[in-house]
Amino acid sequence: AQKVTQAQTEISVVEKEDVTLDCVYETRDTTYYLFWYKQPPSGELVFLIRRNSFDEQNEISGRYSWNFQKSTSSFNFTITASQVVDSAVYFCALSDSRVLSGAGSYQLTFGKGTKLSVIP
Amino acid sequence: KAGVTQTPRYLIKTRGQQVTLSCSPISGHRSVSWYQQTPGQGLQFLFEYFSETQRNKGNFPGRFSGRQFSNSRSEMNVSTLELGDSALYLCASSLYPSGEQETQYFGPGTRLLVL
Repeated sequence: AQKVTQAQTEISVVEKEDVTLDCVYETRDTTYYLFWYKQPPSGELVFLIRRNSFDEQNEISGRYSWNFQKSTSSFNFTITASQVVDSAVYFCALSDSRVLSGAGSYQLTFGKGTKLSVIP
Repeated sequence: KAGVTQTPRYLIKTRGQQVTLSCSPISGHRSVSWYQQTPGQGLQFLFEYFSETQRNKGNFPGRFSGRQFSNSRSEMNVSTLELGDSALYLCASSLYPSGEQETQYFGPGTRLLVL
């Protein structure tokens, strides 16, 4: 069975601080996918990133960066120089590889989310 | 380019009734996925459709069903509503099915309250 743990329920930072959101996962699959989503107060989910289990390169996109470490089963998300607009709930998710084959049933497991508040 | 639209935005039903929610993907997108979000269970994947065929399915009872039309619009149906079906139902569209390079775009959701 898959499991995604986001141990930080809520985080508050002051604007311009860096913040890291932790995500630890459990899976028996050797091929899997990891995701991050953002849900601002408006409620609309925003897809941020998808990473497959064979690509351990860190990813940087503007102020966002992701650190994937298979050895510790973690896929952490860092926001550099946080802004008020970054205030949202962030979800980490894990899916098995069947998502690509359209095999019918597959597991996509979300973490409980981390609520980030950036204070001006 | 118009985003993903979901109708209705809010809905109140009573136990035992059935409900149909609609999702119109971004023009040109052929893949639609549905998710349920509740305070207790969090976010859960319901199903994914591509070119009118269900490709993937989450772990939900048969009361939850869906379909996709030739214009890529999708509907999901919940029969015999239960209190626990109260949730925010989110729809996402992408050009192709879930894959390496696909970015999903989400709609604003339909908030369903079952009394």
